Amino acid sequence: KQEVTQIPAALSVPEGENLVLNCSFTDSAIYNLQWFRQDPGKGLTSLLLIQSSQREQTSGRLNASLDKSSGRSTLYIAASQPGDSATYLCAVRPWGGADGLTFGKGTHLIIQP
Amino acid sequence: GAVVSQHPSRVICKSGTSVKIECRSLDFQATTMFWYRQFPKQSLMLMATSNEGSKATYEQGVEKDKFLINHASLTLSTLTVTSAHPEDSSFYICSARVRGNTGELFFGEGSRLTVL
Repeated sequence: KQEVTQIPAALSVPEGENLVLNCSFTDSAIYNLQWFRQDPGKGLTSLLLIQSSQREQTSGRLNASLDKSSGRSTLYIAASQPGDSATYLCAVRPWGGADGLTFGKGTHLIIQP
Repeated sequence: GAVVSQHPSRVICKSGTSVKIECRSLDFQATTMFWYRQFPKQSLMLMATSNEGSKATYEQGVEKDKFLINHASLTLSTLTVTSAHPEDSSFYICSARVRGNTGELFFGEGSRLTVL
């Protein structure tokens, strides 16, 4: 059974810092990996999707990498801003593509003004 | 990105009643939709996979008679919590996969169910 772990569980940093969120998964047979943002009491906003054949994806100040063989992904946030405060979730889709995602518990991020 | 709409966003009901939550893909066709639930400070747990025109596939431990899922069209799936109890209080989120795309999922805003 796939398990997804996110470290750290919580992170609080001053505005402007670059930071890295970590995600690991136990079964490397994945179709893709997706990073989401969740604001309190809200649904999920998709940030980046990395297919299993890809190594990284970039969108603005966000960069996500994938090392499928070692079961790891990182989300890099450059020049953090208070508006980046949210919970960041990592999720993997199993190979075969039919099933839903397996999520980590998330990293609760606070950017201090 | 594609838009998924959920309704209602919040619902409070008495124990023993049934509640229906709708999930709509507004600007795309979704052959597959997924229903998740999320307890406070926990991650999302997949409840069931809903395919248009066929019966839903439920995850282990999810009671299919309690959580009725209908996916009658390519843009609408519904989750009905039957005979709701306080332990069913949770945040329910649906997601949809764009038909024919590479697998990106888009999520609704979620529905907060409180059973008194």
